[in-house]
Amino acid sequence: GEDVEQSLFLSVREGDSSVINCTYTDSSSTYLYWYKQEPGAGLQLLTYIFSNMDMKQDQRLTVLLNKKDKHLSLRIADTQTGDSAIYFCAESIGTGRRALTFGSGTRLQVQP
Amino acid sequence: EAQVTQNPRYLITVTGKKLTVTCSQNMNHEYMSWYRQDPGLGLRQIYYSMNVEVTDKGDVPEGYKVSRKEKRNFPLILESPSPNQTSLYFCASISGGNTEAFFGQGTRLTVV
Repeated sequence: GEDVEQSLFLSVREGDSSVINCTYTDSSSTYLYWYKQEPGAGLQLLTYIFSNMDMKQDQRLTVLLNKKDKHLSLRIADTQTGDSAIYFCAESIGTGRRALTFGSGTRLQVQP
Repeated sequence: EAQVTQNPRYLITVTGKKLTVTCSQNMNHEYMSWYRQDPGLGLRQIYYSMNVEVTDKGDVPEGYKVSRKEKRNFPLILESPSPNQTSLYFCASISGGNTEAFFGQGTRLTVV
């Protein structure tokens, strides 16, 4: 079955890089996503990567995908206090019931 | 502006009193879904709908009902709420090809 796992908490200092990790079990995933949830708000899509890619970079965000190990990571360069939020990894295996399966979320705390 | 609107944002109710949480999207998406978010468990899918009059159970459907009489609306119904349904609920509308999920702002429900 499908399962997505993340560590629950990460604390970094402002200006450092943050790396949030995720593992998934379904090898037929077509897209993998990172969503951000700020306090009191819904989830917003940060970035996504197609399963035939190894890396995607978007300004301060770098997504790395290791299909062999079923490991996804999100690196945030020059982390700011505004990056403090919960980050959810999610996978999609196409249409149907499990359009999206989410991990438990990683709470990122950025200390000044 | 692409939008998913949930109402109410906050609700406190008593055990057994039927309630409905509304969800509306303006993107003409076929796929909509309800999730509940609980600490350490991420988002768990309650029900989903792949089109008008097509609904199906997610991972945690017990105690919930949904309907999809028109494409834009996907209400979540709790016929007889119980305290274990105290949670944060999110409605999502998902674009074709599952490239992005748009979330509502969430409904925080407390059942006493």
